[in-house]
Amino acid sequence: KAGVTQTPRYLIKTRGQQVTLSCSPISGHRSVSWYQQTPGQGLQFLFEYFSETQRNKGNFPGRFSGRQFSNSRSEMNVSTLELGDSALYLCASSPAGSGYGYTFGSGTRLTVV
Amino acid sequence: GIQVEQSPPDLILQEGANSTLRCNFSDSVNNLQWFHQNPWGQLINLFYIPSGTKQNGRLSATTVATERYSLLYISSSQTTDSGVYFCAVGDYGNNRLAFGKGNQVVVIP
Repeated sequence: KAGVTQTPRYLIKTRGQQVTLSCSPISGHRSVSWYQQTPGQGLQFLFEYFSETQRNKGNFPGRFSGRQFSNSRSEMNVSTLELGDSALYLCASSPAGSGYGYTFGSGTRLTVV
Repeated sequence: GIQVEQSPPDLILQEGANSTLRCNFSDSVNNLQWFHQNPWGQLINLFYIPSGTKQNGRLSATTVATERYSLLYISSSQTTDSGVYFCAVGDYGNNRLAFGKGNQVVVIP
C-alpha cells in the first residue's frame, strides 16, 4: 500500500512569506503528526491531528498552524517566515493515534532566504 | 517533558563489526520506537518496543522499562547501516514522540 506522501519535497521561500505543506497519510490512518528537524534543535514535535481535531501541540509560536481534512490528509502552514524556519518538515501517520505504527513521509525541505 | 539521551553520539564501524546503541529516558513511557534516518532524510521505523526484546534480521532491540533505557544492537554491520539512529518515546496519555539527538553511525568497508 502507498506510504505517507508529503508535498512538495523542496521549497524555497523568502522571509515574510507564508507556506503550506501537505501530508497524505497511509490509507486508514487517522492520526497525523508533524515534526520539525533542524541541525541545532533536532526533531521537535509540532502538532498532532486526529479525526480533524488538533489533539496535541508542541512549543512553537502561533505562526505554525495546521489542519486535517475529513479524508485524514493534513496541511501545515507557516506564516511570516523567518530564516530560522528553514528545516526538514516531517509528517507521520499512525492508525489510531497511539503512536504505534508510526510511519514517516520523506519530508519537505524548506529553505527560507 | 520527557528527556531522551542517546549514546554514543558518533560511531565509526568496520564492516562486519557489531555495535550497541543506548537510549536513556527520564520518565515512564508507554511508547518507545527506534528509527533509522536514511541519507535522503526519511525516517524508517525499525522497532516499536516499549518493553521486552525484539529481533529483525541483524538488528535487535531491548527495552528495560523499569530502568528507563533501551538498547539497539547491530550485528555484522554493513555499509547500508550507515545513517542516524533515533530513539523516540511517548509518555502516558500523550501521543507525541520526544526524540533523542540520535546516533550517527558510519560503517566503512
